[in-house]
Amino acid sequence: AQSVTQLDSQVPVFEEAPVELRCNYSSSVSVYLFWYVQYPNQGLQLLLKYLSGSTLVKGINGFEAEFNKSQTSFHLRKPSVHISDTAEYFCAVSEDTGNQFYFGTGTSLTVIP
Amino acid sequence: DTGVSQDPRHKITKRGQNVTFRCDPISEHNRLYWYRQTLGQGPEFLTYFQNEAQLEKSRLLSDRFSAERPKGSFSTLEIQRTEQGDSAMYLCASSFAGLAGGTFFGPGTRLTVL
Repeated sequence: AQSVTQLDSQVPVFEEAPVELRCNYSSSVSVYLFWYVQYPNQGLQLLLKYLSGSTLVKGINGFEAEFNKSQTSFHLRKPSVHISDTAEYFCAVSEDTGNQFYFGTGTSLTVIP
Repeated sequence: DTGVSQDPRHKITKRGQNVTFRCDPISEHNRLYWYRQTLGQGPEFLTYFQNEAQLEKSRLLSDRFSAERPKGSFSTLEIQRTEQGDSAMYLCASSFAGLAGGTFFGPGTRLTVL
């Protein structure tokens, strides 16, 4: 079975500063990895995904993530955050052959002006 | 088609009542998923359909929960004899089978059980 750990429940960061949101997973099989963002009172929006190939994945809104198989991590980064990045961020995994997601508990990113 | 839609967006009910939620997936998607999200937690998988077949339902929380997708298009999630612990956001998602990166989520239905 898969599981996802998001190590930080809340991350405050000043505007234009860099940020890293951490995600570790455990799985006995190959997985696909995802980051979703959830703005208040809205559904989940896909930021980026790792399916195969290059371990550095670029997504929308200037976010990127790096898949590290040896450390079973998929940390999300942005070099300069904006006020509009304030939201809840979820890391998720799915199995090789299916689309069912296992989500972490989320990281609340607050960008401080 | 602009995405996955869910109805209603909010539902307030009294304990013991039955509630039903509807999800309309992206039209060409053949897979439909239901998740539950409680406060401070990530979404938790409940069940999914491929076309009209319910392929996984062991994760439904109890026998009070049931889901249908009778014609392989929209789906309904019913909760019978609601309890206060059922208060949560219920999310629907859809995808095309075999395309792991193409899952889209709806805005959710927020259920409050008084």
